[in-house]
Amino acid sequence: QSVLTQPPSVSAAPGQKVTISCSGSSSNIGNNYVAWYQQLPGTAPKLLIYDNNKRPSGIPDRFSGSKSGTSATLGITGLQTGDEADYYCGTWDTSLSPFWVFGGGTKLTVL
Amino acid sequence: EVQLVESGGGLVQPGGSLRLSCSASGFTFSSYWMHWVRQVPGKGLVWVSRINNDGASTSYADSVKGRFTISRDNAKNTLYLQMNSLRPDDTAVYYCAREGAEMGDYWGQGTLVTVSS
Repeated sequence: QSVLTQPPSVSAAPGQKVTISCSGSSSNIGNNYVAWYQQLPGTAPKLLIYDNNKRPSGIPDRFSGSKSGTSATLGITGLQTGDEADYYCGTWDTSLSPFWVFGGGTKLTVL
Repeated sequence: EVQLVESGGGLVQPGGSLRLSCSASGFTFSSYWMHWVRQVPGKGLVWVSRINNDGASTSYADSVKGRFTISRDNAKNTLYLQMNSLRPDDTAVYYCAREGAEMGDYWGQGTLVTVSS
């Protein structure tokens, strides 16, 4: 059971837009920045969004992030088949000691 | 270019030990906190442990506390995870990851640990 809650799967057609939600609590999302990671099959997670809505260099602006209260959302526009991957939200949890918590992951299928 | 390369994974019997290493390059290793995160194949990411930049402060997930020890050698630019009393549910791919101003800005490629008789 993951600390953060994500939908197991989402799907959309190429060129369409999709959003992935991530729900937490005041000890994690509510008081900390959220990051999003993309994990392509057989590879390591890659940072996609940090500080709720910032993109590292090289990440296209088709990817966006937002946060409100204890929830966060990843948006992907102009879907491409290469976007098929698992997406994870993550943040710090300060309930006991600052450490990382993650969502269970969302499998994106581009139909 | 930032690189993190894990090694040391393999097959070990229940109750056995293993030491993972994460060799860092392309950045000033001694300036960054480092983490270990594991992933059972087909499942999600689970945080395991973290260490601050000088090694004086460490934290562990409850599931590994008392069995795993994180450490680092800043002179060798290497992060370690000593895993003792291994159990079958410790079977996973183990990633090392850097914590900069951002959470998990770089990750290694992972090393597979299989605990089985």
